[in-house]
Amino acid sequence: NAGVMQNPRHLVRRRGQEARLRCSPMKGHSHVYWYRQLPEEGLKFMVYLQKENIIDESGMPKERFSAEFPKEGPSILRIQQVVRGDSAAYFCASSPSRGGASTDTQYFGPGTRLTVL
Amino acid sequence: DAKTTQPTSMDCAEGRAANLPCNHSTISGNEYVYWYRQIHSQGPQYIIHGLKNNETNEMASLIITEDRKSSTLILPHATLRDTAVYYCIVLSGGYQKVTFGTGTKLQVIP
Repeated sequence: NAGVMQNPRHLVRRRGQEARLRCSPMKGHSHVYWYRQLPEEGLKFMVYLQKENIIDESGMPKERFSAEFPKEGPSILRIQQVVRGDSAAYFCASSPSRGGASTDTQYFGPGTRLTVL
Repeated sequence: DAKTTQPTSMDCAEGRAANLPCNHSTISGNEYVYWYRQIHSQGPQYIIHGLKNNETNEMASLIITEDRKSSTLILPHATLRDTAVYYCIVLSGGYQKVTFGTGTKLQVIP
């Protein structure tokens, strides 16, 4: 069973360009989470999605950032008009949906390292 | 979610057991204790989790005190590849957004 896949692993963009980060969850997982890690800092939650729904985007910057998880295909984190401060590692995690009181373990992908020149 | 407290760093000799403590004195009855680690900027790796009872898997053991206010992650025979930042996290059931603190930087020494 393949793990969480993210691509590209490294992405270089110039200021003002768009960055698209893709995440394919583990097989059978219907929940996707995106996190950002700035250099020398811990991971910070950005957004939680289920298929075709954004459940919690409380960690997303209000402008330029958007995320989707379509019925078919990977989840996409999109950053428009990138700035140097967007340079970071972006990690995706997925979990199954068991519901109820049991907790759903999140499994993380290898990350995409975005560098904005 | 309950806050956790971990030592900033620890050293462990290769081949010895690494015991990583975590305090979570405000944990509530339905919250789980999770451990992840991050090896040099790779994606966080799930290690183990538990609610009340001690747990063991192929990677580690988790010892939770009876009052659940603290726990210890045990790597029975640390190797150089276990050098990483270890995060202790408390999560309630169902949907959860994981909040990573600063963790414990474990250095395994040859």
